[in-house]
This record gives sequence, C-alpha cells and structure tokens, in this order.
Amino acid sequence: GQQVMQIPQYQHVQEGEDFTTYCNSSTTLSNIQWYKQRPGGHPVFLIQLVKSGEVKKQKRLTFQFGEAKKNSSLHITATQTTDVGTYFCAGPQTGANNLFFGTGTRLTVIP
Amino acid sequence: DAGVIQSPRHEVTEMGQEVTLRCKPISGHNSLFWYRQTMMRGLELLIYFNNNVPIDDSGMPEDRFSAKMPNASFSTLKIQPSEPRDSAVYFCASRRDSGAYGYTFGSGTRLTVV
Repeated sequence: GQQVMQIPQYQHVQEGEDFTTYCNSSTTLSNIQWYKQRPGGHPVFLIQLVKSGEVKKQKRLTFQFGEAKKNSSLHITATQTTDVGTYFCAGPQTGANNLFFGTGTRLTVIP
Repeated sequence: DAGVIQSPRHEVTEMGQEVTLRCKPISGHNSLFWYRQTMMRGLELLIYFNNNVPIDDSGMPEDRFSAKMPNASFSTLKIQPSEPRDSAVYFCASRRDSGAYGYTFGSGTRLTVV
C-alpha cells in the first residue's frame, strides 16, 4: 500500500542550529503539503508544493519538492524554541481526494 | 472565521458506552475529513465527505464506528460500543476543494475509554 515515510522520527537540536526533515513517498505525488503540530495541538497547514523541483521559502523555513515528485524536505535555519513540534508531510492518496499523512518528525529545541 | 469547531474537547467514558463526537466545518468548505491520531499509528483517515456525501469510509475500523453529515455545517462520528483501544485523539478537518488550500483542522477530541 501507499506509504509516506519521514526521517528522522525525532530530532533534538540546540537553539540556533539548523534542522532538516525528509519525506519519501512510495508513489509519485501530484503535490505535497506540510503541516506543523505543536505539542498538545492540532496540525496546521504550512504550505503546498506542486511542481517538480519546486522550492518555496517562508522566513526561516525552506521547502523542496523532488524532481521525481516522490520526495520532499523541510529545512529550518537557526531554530528557535517556537519551532518545537511535529512536522508532517502529506500527499494525495492514490486515486482519491484525501491526504495521506507521513509518519512525522518530532523536533525538540533546547534553549 | 471561527475555524473548525469540535466538541467535546475531552471525553472519558466506560467501555461499552456510546460516544458521539461532533464537528462544525468552516463555512464554504465542501470536504470534511475525520482523522484519528495515536502514537502507534500516527494520523489515520477514518472517513471523508464531499458535499455532505460519504466518499471513502475504508478507514473506519469496524462496524462500531459510524459517521454522518446531515448538512454542510455539521458532522458526527459515533462509536458504539466503545472499547479501550479506541482511546485516541480524533480530529475533524475541512477544506475548500478549489485552489491550493490545505486542510484546516479542529482542536480535536481526546477520547479515553476505560
């Protein structure tokens, strides 16, 4: 079945260090979305990437969609304590209108 | 915009009891999704509706789970009878199908079945 894996599962960084999470799909995706879930909170939509090789930036966050549209990454420059949370990638379920969420990467930022 | 509203926020119930979770999507959003989140299984889609019609319920664990969307502004997820393994956070999310919009999630219902 369709799988969307993320690595690493957990990441601890010192405040000010960079952070990257990688998302790999077993199938080609028409688009990929990224969400952030704070501890005890709910997933919040960050961005959608559609084009092969697309790169988008939101302040310290850089999102990339792979050339083959099967992988993606999220890079955070100079992490802050407000970046703490779990980051999920999600892609359309094959042949359906719903999203299939990745396994998530839980980021801890040590002040 | 009040966002997606879920109730209750927390529910503790005894095994065998009926549980009903409620969701009010954002006005104008025509797709509604119910997800369950656990440590072991992550975010799992249970069912989704488009224009109030159930489209895919293949994620509903078993016959004890049922969901309805009687109109565009309300949906329920019912578990009867509840079991301890149903303990999880249940999220409702909605989306407008046109445009590059992501899902808007509600705050979730944390269900504990004892």
